[in-house]
Amino acid sequence: NAGVTQTPKFRVLKTGQSMTLLCAQDMNHEYMYWYRQDPGMGLRLIHYSVGEGTTAKGEVPDGYNVSRLKKQNFLLGLESAAPSQTSVYFCASILRLAGGVGEQFFGPGTRLTVL
Amino acid sequence: AQKVTQAQTEISVVEKEDVTLDCVYETRDTTYYLFWYKQPPSGELVFLIRRNSFDEQNEISGRYSWNFQKSTSSFNFTITASQVVDSAVYFCAPSPANQAGTALIFGKGTTLSVSS
Repeated sequence: NAGVTQTPKFRVLKTGQSMTLLCAQDMNHEYMYWYRQDPGMGLRLIHYSVGEGTTAKGEVPDGYNVSRLKKQNFLLGLESAAPSQTSVYFCASILRLAGGVGEQFFGPGTRLTVL
Repeated sequence: AQKVTQAQTEISVVEKEDVTLDCVYETRDTTYYLFWYKQPPSGELVFLIRRNSFDEQNEISGRYSWNFQKSTSSFNFTITASQVVDSAVYFCAPSPANQAGTALIFGKGTTLSVSS
């Protein structure tokens, strides 16, 4: 049981390049999330998904797209990277319980630098 | 919309001191969850506690304890006899219980430094 994994762990991009961050979870969780964390800040929600084939915008969605084609995977895409997207990106998943939700499990993070 | 305030940006203590991290939240939801996470210098997020808004009992787990006061919308975290390994950024995060997605709303965190 690997929990939540993220690929890659580090990446450096040039302005205008594109890339996809992969998040995978093996806990059969329904809900998945992408957050970004900037220095001195808490985590801010980019996009989330409540199930396979569904996605929704969070607090800071501009410049990002997501897809959830399989329940276990949640992809975050940057079509044209900008220096403002330099950040640490965290993926998370959560188990939906009968009485609500359980603990939110986080991946180890991806450190992205856009030059 | 929910909001969380962690008024203490940084706290420095000496080992074995007790320390309390404050968390005040705003919510219009009648049912919600409250979480605390720890982020050590290595960067990962470590789950500490999840509390349902209906459960106002204080909780103790080893050196950690949490004081939930619904009347003042506070969910404070106390570390007793702090250790160097407690040095980290601590985040308080409420989450609505009845909305699809139930994402956590993070505060800016409190950086705790414990010196020997």
